[in-house]
Amino acid sequence: EAQVTQNPRYLITVTGKKLTVTCSQNMNHEYMSWYRQDPGLGLRQIYYSMNVEVTDKGDVPEGYKVSRKEKRNFPLILESPSPNQTSLYFCASSSAVGGPYEQYFGPGTRLTVT
Amino acid sequence: DAKTTQPTSMDCAEGRAANLPCNHSTISGNEYVYWYRQIHSQGPQYIIHGLKNNETNEMASLIITEDRKSSTLILPHATLRDTAVYYCIVVNAGNNRKLIWGLGTSLAVNP
Repeated sequence: EAQVTQNPRYLITVTGKKLTVTCSQNMNHEYMSWYRQDPGLGLRQIYYSMNVEVTDKGDVPEGYKVSRKEKRNFPLILESPSPNQTSLYFCASSSAVGGPYEQYFGPGTRLTVT
Repeated sequence: DAKTTQPTSMDCAEGRAANLPCNHSTISGNEYVYWYRQIHSQGPQYIIHGLKNNETNEMASLIITEDRKSSTLILPHATLRDTAVYYCIVVNAGNNRKLIWGLGTSLAVNP
C-alpha cells in the first residue's frame, strides 16, 4: 500500500531535549516536505527536499533541521525544542518529475513541548 | 503565489450535492487549482486538481470558470464521511511544489 508513515504519532517532551520525528514513504517520490499546523494559522511549510541531499527552507524553518540521505526518508530534527514548537506536524511526498503532482500526507505527529 | 478565498463553513444534507466555492482572482497562467480535504486532524487528502478544463474523478468534480478566477468543487452525493475541512489551493507548476494553505471551508454533512 502506498503510504507516508511518521513516528512517533504523539510525543510529549521538555524544553531543550533533542528529538527527531521520522518520515518515510514507499512511493519512490523525489519531493518530500514538512508542515506544521496550528489553530487559526493553517498548515505552514517548514522544510522541503527535491531529492536526496537537496533540501531548502520553507516559510517557518527556525528551530528545525532536516536531512535527506536516502530517497525514502526525511527526518525532522528539533535540536532544542521550545514550547512554541508545540504543534501538529505533517510530512508529505510527491513525484517531482514534470508536474505538479498531488502530495501524499502522513497521519501527523502531535508534539507537546513543556 | 496566488491566494484563495473560501467561505468559512457550509452545511449540506446527506445524499445531496455539496458545492464548495473558491475565489482565486489573482491566479496566473501556469498555476493549477488543487483541492484537498482534512478529516478531523488527520493528514490532508488530495481530491482533485485542474488547470483550465473541468475535471472529474471518483471523488468529485471540479468546475473552473472560463476566466479561471474562481472554481467550485462538487461532491455529487455527500455522505457523513465527507464532513471535513476542504482546502482550495493554487499551486505553481515550478519546482517548489509549495502548497500555501488557507483556513479552508468546514463542511458539515447532516443526516
